[in-house]
Amino acid sequence: AQSVTQLGSHVSVSEGALVLLRCNYSSSVPPYLFWYVQYPNQGLQLLLKYTSAATLVKGINGFEAEFKKSETSFHLTKPSAHMSDAAEYFCAVSRSGGNKLTFGTGTQLKVEL
Amino acid sequence: KAGVTQTPRYLIKTRGQQVTLSCSPISGHRSVSWYQQTPGQGLQFLFEYFSETQRNKGNFPGRFSGRQFSNSRSEMNVSTLELGDSALYLCASSDERQGNVYGYTFGSGTRLTVV
Repeated sequence: AQSVTQLGSHVSVSEGALVLLRCNYSSSVPPYLFWYVQYPNQGLQLLLKYTSAATLVKGINGFEAEFKKSETSFHLTKPSAHMSDAAEYFCAVSRSGGNKLTFGTGTQLKVEL
Repeated sequence: KAGVTQTPRYLIKTRGQQVTLSCSPISGHRSVSWYQQTPGQGLQFLFEYFSETQRNKGNFPGRFSGRQFSNSRSEMNVSTLELGDSALYLCASSDERQGNVYGYTFGSGTRLTVV
């Protein structure tokens, strides 16, 4: 069975500071990993995905994530936070051949002036 | 290219009633998945359809059902509604058998409130 664990249900950063949202996965086979963002009263928007092509994945809005097999991690980072980044972020895992996403519990990002 | 369209956006139903939610995927996408989002349980997979066939099913009671039409549009139905069914229901579509590679595009969801 696959699962993801997101450490920290709430993260607060200052505008311009580094954003680091943590995600660890558990999978018996090479996983496909995703980060999604959800703004209030909206659906999920794909930020980036890892599909084994490259361990450092660049996504939209300046976000990137690095797949580290030895640490079973796929942490999301952004060098400089912007007020518009305030939202809930979800890490998700899927297995090869399947179209089912298993989501983490989400991390609410707050950006302060 | 139009995104994933879910209708209605908001719905209020009474316990015991049934409800049907609709999802129109991105043109050309043949895989449609449904998820339930609640504050307590988070995002949970309901089921996935590809070319009118259910390929995967989550751990939900039989009151939850779905179908997909030949134009890839999908509906999900919940019968005998319970208060705990109140949730945001999200639909996602992808354009290949393996949405893993190409990613999944989500709609804005249908907010169902059961009173």
